[in-house]
Amino acid sequence: DTAVSQTPKYLVTQMGNDKSIKCEQNLGHDTMYWYKQDSKKFLKIMFSYNNKELIINETVPNRFSPKSPDKAHLNLHINSLELGDSAVYFCASSPRQGGSYNSPLHFGNGTRLTVT
Amino acid sequence: GQQVMQIPQYQHVQEGEDFTTYCNSSTTLSNIQWYKQRPGGHPVFLIQLVKSGEVKKQKRLTFQFGEAKKNSSLHITATQTTDVGTYFCAGRRGGADGLTFGKGTHLIIQP
Repeated sequence: DTAVSQTPKYLVTQMGNDKSIKCEQNLGHDTMYWYKQDSKKFLKIMFSYNNKELIINETVPNRFSPKSPDKAHLNLHINSLELGDSAVYFCASSPRQGGSYNSPLHFGNGTRLTVT
Repeated sequence: GQQVMQIPQYQHVQEGEDFTTYCNSSTTLSNIQWYKQRPGGHPVFLIQLVKSGEVKKQKRLTFQFGEAKKNSSLHITATQTTDVGTYFCAGRRGGADGLTFGKGTHLIIQP
């Protein structure tokens, strides 16, 4: 199946721990993203990578560190987890067509992070 | 920074009634996209509008992009229970700017 896949689907952990979420896309897209969706369903962009290079880094605590080993993978590592980090984290990808970033996003199924 | 406002936040309708959600941007957009998220699911792309004044239809869904490219709307005719979910608009100013999502409109349908 062609898709954007994230693991794990659920992540329950205690405050202060460090955790990682992995994302892979086999759509051949150049650009990958991390979005955070809070309890009110608000979707906010965190990071964007194009072909392994960081192109968008919104105001996100530096406890969050993305890593893109190749253009098909974008992982998210979170240090010293806090209660407010509880949310659903979505990975997404899009093709970059003709130098334009206007293409639609393909989202993964999300990772529901609960910090206790 | 860029803001995309979306109203209403919630909309309850009886099955068969029409539904509209509106999106307004504080800045001119290069394009606007619409997504649907079913309960427990992930956002799924519906459509993209690029041209000023553009209108596109997908079966019972009609999408419009304003003349000034600052506002957009999604209208669903004769809602069905399968239309339940959250509808998001998302705009981009251009270049490498990320998509800014509206807060979404939660559509609840009563049979």
